[in-house]
Amino acid sequence: QKEVEQNSGPLSVPEGAIASLNCTYSDRVSQSFFWYRQYSGKSPELIMSIYSNGDKEDGRFTAQLNKASQYVSLLIRDSQPSDSATYLCAVRGSSYKLIFGSGTRLLVRP
Amino acid sequence: KAGVTQTPRYLIKTRGQQVTLSCSPISGHRSVSWYQQTPGQGLQFLFEYFSETQRNKGNFPGRFSGRQFSNSRSEMNVSTLELGDSALYLCASSLGWGDSNQPQHFGDGTRLSIL
Repeated sequence: QKEVEQNSGPLSVPEGAIASLNCTYSDRVSQSFFWYRQYSGKSPELIMSIYSNGDKEDGRFTAQLNKASQYVSLLIRDSQPSDSATYLCAVRGSSYKLIFGSGTRLLVRP
Repeated sequence: KAGVTQTPRYLIKTRGQQVTLSCSPISGHRSVSWYQQTPGQGLQFLFEYFSETQRNKGNFPGRFSGRQFSNSRSEMNVSTLELGDSALYLCASSLGWGDSNQPQHFGDGTRLSIL
């Protein structure tokens, strides 16, 4: 079992729709969770962080965390073609290492 | 405020050679982590340095090593290069170490190609 798992996609949504990206993790004592966006040929860019159960909103982005289910998600409202990228989930666990999932490729169709 | 700076951006080497990559963190950041990114394996953690000490290490062979200087700048070295070492090497910095809520910010990376 991978430490951080994401569906590789591609997840294809029409422009204006809500994109839902999911991530599960195996380390039960993980404390902090991050979402990064990576455009093709570029480096990862931090877009959201979440540390406690519930929802955290920042503009069109909402991160959701459920520690009991070991599940974290990212919702992108009003998706735009410019949101087309790979989204990486990162989890900092008991070892303090930041472990990344393999990423979900999002494609927003105009 | 300048971001994380990695040099060089591109590098071509041949099998058996060694290479040194450099990373300057964001001003004030004292923790530096290194990652290898390949299409097949994704983003793999190499090691993390804070206060010139290696704090964490990933599952890479001893050919991969690193160090951090007193000004928080870091270098990583790969010896006896293999074809499989071709990858994007990313450096990320954060304020400190020990606070799990600290996010990491990435540089543009060094793309290493082994011929």
